[in-house]
Amino acid sequence: EAQVTQNPRYLITVTGKKLTVTCSQNMNHEYMSWYRQDPGLGLRQIYYSMNVEVTDKGDVPEGYKVSRKEKRNFPLILESPSPNQTSLYFCASSLFGADTQYFGPGTRLTVL
Amino acid sequence: SQQGEEDPQALSIQEGENATMNCSYKTSINNLQWYRQNSGRGLVHLILIRSNEREKHSGRLRVTLDTSKKSSSLLITASRAADTASYFCATDAPGGGADGLTFGKGTHLIIQP
Repeated sequence: EAQVTQNPRYLITVTGKKLTVTCSQNMNHEYMSWYRQDPGLGLRQIYYSMNVEVTDKGDVPEGYKVSRKEKRNFPLILESPSPNQTSLYFCASSLFGADTQYFGPGTRLTVL
Repeated sequence: SQQGEEDPQALSIQEGENATMNCSYKTSINNLQWYRQNSGRGLVHLILIRSNEREKHSGRLRVTLDTSKKSSSLLITASRAADTASYFCATDAPGGGADGLTFGKGTHLIIQP
């Protein structure tokens, strides 16, 4: 089954404790991206990757890192999480940037 | 970056009625897409309409695009309780879409049984 998986689905952590949210897709998509969704603000892009080893900032990249060492994986790293990063995070993939995007189930992160 | 804006922000109708949501955007596009999100879950693609198309159908969904007004509408006919969700429009960036899609803030649709 074609899908985007994210782990963990729920995470509660404390300020400053490094964490990684994994994302994996099995559709051989070139393009992957991370979004955060907050009430009243909609979906905002954090980082995206057009291909392996190619990543770029989206609209709200501060406080986040990504890597794309393999085509299928695109982890999101929070080196020192802060409470303002409490949000619902989505990973998505597509053949190319403007094509139909396939979303993961989401990761609800709470930073205390 | 450009952004689609949905209108209304929220809509509540009776089951069986038609639901219409609108999306306006600011600059020229290559395509516009509509997505659905059930509460707290990932977005699901519904339909894509290209800039040279004026109308597209998929089951009970009808999407129109007016590039002169920079607007699109999504019509859901004969609504069902399962249509309760948030609906988002997304536009690509001019010049090829390397940056991907930009999403609006969504219309929250509630279908009353």
